[in-house]
Amino acid sequence: SAVISQKPSRDICQRGTSLTIQCQVDSQVTMMFWYRQQPGQSLTLIATANQGSEATYESGFVIDKFPISRPNLTFSTLTVSNMSPEDSSIYLCSVDGGGGRGSYEQYFGPGTRLTVT
Amino acid sequence: AQTVTQSQPEMSVQEAETVTLSCTYDTSENNYYLFWYKQPPSRQMILVIRQEAYKQQNATENRFSVNFQKAAKSFSLKISDSQLGDTAMYFCAFVLSGSARQLTFGSGTQLTVLP
Repeated sequence: SAVISQKPSRDICQRGTSLTIQCQVDSQVTMMFWYRQQPGQSLTLIATANQGSEATYESGFVIDKFPISRPNLTFSTLTVSNMSPEDSSIYLCSVDGGGGRGSYEQYFGPGTRLTVT
Repeated sequence: AQTVTQSQPEMSVQEAETVTLSCTYDTSENNYYLFWYKQPPSRQMILVIRQEAYKQQNATENRFSVNFQKAAKSFSLKISDSQLGDTAMYFCAFVLSGSARQLTFGSGTQLTVLP
């Protein structure tokens, strides 16, 4: 399985500001995913990030609010823009586990706990 | 659209006992994968076990096993010899075979192992 790190691990931000979360993988992967986990809730997919193409956003999430970069096969960033208290969540990145091996599980980073005041 | 339902928000079990967590899903597709993930208080999502829909044999990983009933669209997780370290939120997840590879998660079951 891939080893995934995220920075920062947590942050407290003021409303109206932006925060960029970094996700680093120890091996090259085709697909990376960004999830939001609101307090006490399950995970909701924000977008899928493939290297060399625009991210694909799920319903309810837009690029202006959550711009994503995927400059290479081991790195991605998610920016939470113009933050409000409703953006207080854990943000997790994950990578597809299989690619050509045909396995479909995902491996997750440790998450970034964001608090907006 | 696929949905995953976990009807038990919270469960508890005595240490060394066995517990079963329930999960049902809804899909009209035939080729898919199912997973159980564990999220302890550290919030790290850990893959516990996976099941391919085309396999009739239930998956087993040490103390963890599943009861996969494809016709009933049921995918329960059995934890044997429960340990204190099993205390966590458990999520059932579903993904269709194909290029999108997007996981759909259930709402989770908080399992507490009691000493």
